[in-house]
Amino acid sequence: NAGVTQTPKFQVLKTGQSMTLQCAQDMNHEYMSWYRQDPGMGLRLIHYSVGAGITDQGEVPNGYNVSRSTTEDFPLRLLSAAPSQTSVYFCASSLDLTDTQYFGPGTRLTVL
Amino acid sequence: QQQVKQSPQSLIVQKGGISIINCAYENTAFDYFPWYQQFPGKGPALLIAIRPDVSEKKEGRFTISFNKSAKQFSLHIMDSQPGDSATYFCAASGETSGSRLTFGEGTQLTVNP
Repeated sequence: NAGVTQTPKFQVLKTGQSMTLQCAQDMNHEYMSWYRQDPGMGLRLIHYSVGAGITDQGEVPNGYNVSRSTTEDFPLRLLSAAPSQTSVYFCASSLDLTDTQYFGPGTRLTVL
Repeated sequence: QQQVKQSPQSLIVQKGGISIINCAYENTAFDYFPWYQQFPGKGPALLIAIRPDVSEKKEGRFTISFNKSAKQFSLHIMDSQPGDSATYFCAASGETSGSRLTFGEGTQLTVNP
């Protein structure tokens, strides 16, 4: 099993550009989530999904969109990148909300 | 609003020493308290977790101590090793948060040889 995979590993964007961060898991987990990690602020939940076709907002959802068309994939879209979105983004999955979360290796995003 | 406060922000310990990281929470409905370990360039990984029905849980050199009345829990790393150098996050969840994890700010641990 590959676990949770994320692409790309690194990305540099200009303000106003759009992009999609990819996340996939092969563990048949229902629950998937996106976090951003900033120095001194821990991990903050952006969006999450409890199953295909179901998504909800987390703590810091503004500027991000998600969809969950399959159990395996949970892409995160930035429609118009801003410097404040410079961060490291982690995708995670788990069997259910109270189970161990398995994190991907992260995407380091810089918005100029 | 930070519902889980973690300290210290950084910690330097000598090899063989005890590393102690503390967390405090506000929401009394939290009932699951995991600790995650993150090495540079990697995603966090579950290290150890506790539920409030016990006051202590030990796994090898890692121990969680839990004080329900004080709404505090801590991670103790005994006989700290250079390989333990990483960032540690405490977290908490409960039904009132939809069982979603709320993370502390993180502690960067450095164990000197």
